[in-house]
Amino acid sequence: DAGVIQSPRHEVTEMGQEVTLRCKPISGHNSLFWYRQTMMRGLELLIYFNNNVPIDDSGMPEDRFSAKMPNASFSTLKIQPSEPRDSAVYFCASSDRRRGLAGTYEQYFGPGTRLTVT
Amino acid sequence: GDSVTQMEGPVTLSEEAFLTINCTYTATGYPSLFWYVQYPGEGLQLLLKATKADDKGSNKGFEATYRKETTSFHLEKGSVQVSDSAVYFCALRRGSTLGRLYFGRGTQLTVWP
Repeated sequence: DAGVIQSPRHEVTEMGQEVTLRCKPISGHNSLFWYRQTMMRGLELLIYFNNNVPIDDSGMPEDRFSAKMPNASFSTLKIQPSEPRDSAVYFCASSDRRRGLAGTYEQYFGPGTRLTVT
Repeated sequence: GDSVTQMEGPVTLSEEAFLTINCTYTATGYPSLFWYVQYPGEGLQLLLKATKADDKGSNKGFEATYRKETTSFHLEKGSVQVSDSAVYFCALRRGSTLGRLYFGRGTQLTVWP
């Protein structure tokens, strides 16, 4: 089982550039989550999808951030234009609402993308 | 709203010491509770879980008991190892939120030999 795949693992870009982070969830999972982790704010949920539909994007910081899930096996998180305060580790996670013990819906996290905006 | 509060870190222990990381929660209804662990440079992994009051989750020597009367889910381990050094996150999920987890801030644990 490949697990959640994220790319790139590291991204260094200059302020003002567009950044696209990619995620491939575990095959068969139907929920996908994007998180941001920083020392100052801890782990924040940015947006999550269920069956490719965005359910809650209230955690998206501002209009510079957008996320898409065109199909069940791929999602992107885009920042345009990027700013130094966007520097963080971005995690993607997936879960399967249809299986497992009721009430658990374990989330499987990817290895993260470390973004540095200079 | 739903939230999780866990003890501030960092926690530093010697090998074989007893570990407690406190976690309390605020939620309506009967949430499911989780502990996740994050090793350096990796994503979070589920460590243990409990879905109803008085349930005890356990894994790799770690335990936590779902206490509804005190709204707590404290993580314990009787004898920590150097390999347990990581960041530990407490989290909750309510049944109506389509799998969304609410995480605490995380507690850094460092175990010295």
